[in-house]
Amino acid sequence: EIVLTQSPATLSLSPGERATLSCRASQSINSYLAWYQQKPGQAPRLLIYDVSNRATGIPARFSGSGSGTDFTLTISSLEPEDFAVYYCQQRSYWLITFGQGTRLEIK
Amino acid sequence: QVQLQESGPGLVKPSETLSLTCTVSGDSVSSGSFHWSWLRQPPGKGPEWIGYISYNGITNYNPSLKSRVLISADTSKNQFSLRLNSVTAADTAVYYCARVNYGVLDFWGQGTLVTVSS
Repeated sequence: EIVLTQSPATLSLSPGERATLSCRASQSINSYLAWYQQKPGQAPRLLIYDVSNRATGIPARFSGSGSGTDFTLTISSLEPEDFAVYYCQQRSYWLITFGQGTRLEIK
Repeated sequence: QVQLQESGPGLVKPSETLSLTCTVSGDSVSSGSFHWSWLRQPPGKGPEWIGYISYNGITNYNPSLKSRVLISADTSKNQFSLRLNSVTAADTAVYYCARVNYGVLDFWGQGTLVTVSS
């Protein structure tokens, strides 16, 4: 099973700042990496798929990058509604796994 | 717009079977393009993928749950279902159904909390 490790566990920033979230895979997952945002009481929402493609309706301030085992979600300038928990997810060998999440909180 | 809605008991006794149904609108579970998945999220933790069923009935399960899980579909009702047997307190979670689009979960239900307790 491929394990995804996210860092940091918690990130404290202010609106307007740049956020950089990391996701590291235990082995290469090619480009099968997605990012989700989850707010309290809601289902996760797809932000980014295949490393760098924004899902429908996702603002341009969200971007993804990386390859192989190391991936990054960047939020260029934080808006108040961006403070939430973020998960990375991979699919390989027909199995799906998630990282443990990064909580993005207001400083 | 694709919508998914989970339904089923919110309380299950230990050792019994958890059963949930997901009703899909705006798409067809017999469509050849997607898989239909169940996931769960224990309180305070990240999501855990349980498994999925494809348009032709082929299933694939998380190896850690495979011995206790069955996912099936009723195409006449445009629904798919989850059965998880021999539940314990560790199975307490919010359960979600979702559409799988080339390995990406692009549409989710709102989730339903299932508590395992006597």
